[in-house]
Amino acid sequence: EAGVVQSPRYKIIEKKQPVAFWCNPISGHNTLYWYLQNLGQGPELLIRYENEEAVDDSQLPKDRFSAERLKGVDSTLKIQPAELGDSAVYLCASSSAGTTEAFFGQGTRLTVV
Amino acid sequence: AQSVSQHNHHVILSEAASLELGCNYSYGGTVNLFWYVQYPGQHLQLLLKYFSGDPLVKGIKGFEAEFIKSKFSFNLRKPSVQWSDTAEYFCAVRNSGTYKYIFGTGTRLKVLA
Repeated sequence: EAGVVQSPRYKIIEKKQPVAFWCNPISGHNTLYWYLQNLGQGPELLIRYENEEAVDDSQLPKDRFSAERLKGVDSTLKIQPAELGDSAVYLCASSSAGTTEAFFGQGTRLTVV
Repeated sequence: AQSVSQHNHHVILSEAASLELGCNYSYGGTVNLFWYVQYPGQHLQLLLKYFSGDPLVKGIKGFEAEFIKSKFSFNLRKPSVQWSDTAEYFCAVRNSGTYKYIFGTGTRLKVLA
């Protein structure tokens, strides 16, 4: 069974440019998470979806970050415009009511120059 | 607010040495506890988890952890580490019945051959 798939793996952009990350969760997982991981830190939740609905987006900086999960499967996280401080690893994870833990993708490492 | 503390940020051990990584959390309710591992270049993977029952849980690759409710701790142990255990280890807490994970800052373990 395929795990959580994220793309791209790496992205380098100039500040003020837009960027988007894509996540395909494990088939059948209705819960999808986007986490931010800064260097030397643990993952921090940005947004959690239950199917198509964003049920926890309290940590998402809504002035520049947006996310969507159309049809309750794949999800896209967007930053516009990117700032130098957004350089980090963006992790996607998924779980379902039948699983007891979250499964993580390999992440997208964003560098803003 | 709920938080997770990992006291050891960097640990260096020789092969065959014993390992104990500390994890403390702050939350008064019922929690589920996890240890995730991230090997170099790979995604976060579940090592072990505690939901209920025997407070001593065994995970993959010879790891175990003990939940001590009175101390709000969930320390990770391994009697004899191997070079292949070199990785970053994250403790995580989840409110029972919810899907929100709070991660610690991680402990980077280096095992010398």
